[in-house]
Amino acid sequence: EIVMTQSPATLSVSPGERATLSCRASQSVSSNLAWYQQQPGQAPRLLIYGASTRATGIPARFSGSGSGTEFTLTISSLQSEDFALYYCQQYNNWPRTFGQGTKVEIK
Amino acid sequence: EVQLVESGGGLVQPGGSLRLSCAASGFTFSSYRMSWVRQVPGKGLEWVANVKEDGNDKNYVDSVKGRFTISRDNAKNSLFLQMNSLRDEDTAMYYCARERGRFVYWFDRWGQGTLVTVSS
Repeated sequence: EIVMTQSPATLSVSPGERATLSCRASQSVSSNLAWYQQQPGQAPRLLIYGASTRATGIPARFSGSGSGTEFTLTISSLQSEDFALYYCQQYNNWPRTFGQGTKVEIK
Repeated sequence: EVQLVESGGGLVQPGGSLRLSCAASGFTFSSYRMSWVRQVPGKGLEWVANVKEDGNDKNYVDSVKGRFTISRDNAKNSLFLQMNSLRDEDTAMYYCARERGRFVYWFDRWGQGTLVTVSS
């Protein structure tokens, strides 16, 4: 099983600042990596797939990069609605596995 | 509008059974692979099972193999998860998720979830 490790566990950022979230895979997943956002009490929402392709309706301030084992989600200028939990997930191997999440909180 | 609505969760004793349902609308259900993903309250996400478009190929995470069965009824636009021999550690919110892709698949739409609590 591929283990996905996200860092940091919590990221404190002021509105308008940039947030950089990291995700590392225990072995290569090529570019088969997705990012999801989860608000409290809600289901996850797809942000990024293919490591860098924004899903439909996702604002351009969200960007993804990386391949192999190292991936990054960048939120260029945090808006109030962006404070949430973020998960990475690999879909290159079975079983599909998620990282433990990064909480982006208001500083 | 794509909608996935789960139902069937509830409180069940260890060793008991439960059948979850997911009603799909707003898209051609029979053209998509579907999955169940669960989340222990306050914890991370775990993929549980998936089924191909025609229902003939299924995959499971090791921890539920032999206990859970995923199925679908394309005529009724519905996805199911039969859960038997339930354990305390199966307590979680269960989400129905649509898969999208080609050769490899990610989860592009999620339902709001149904809560399963296994407790005596």
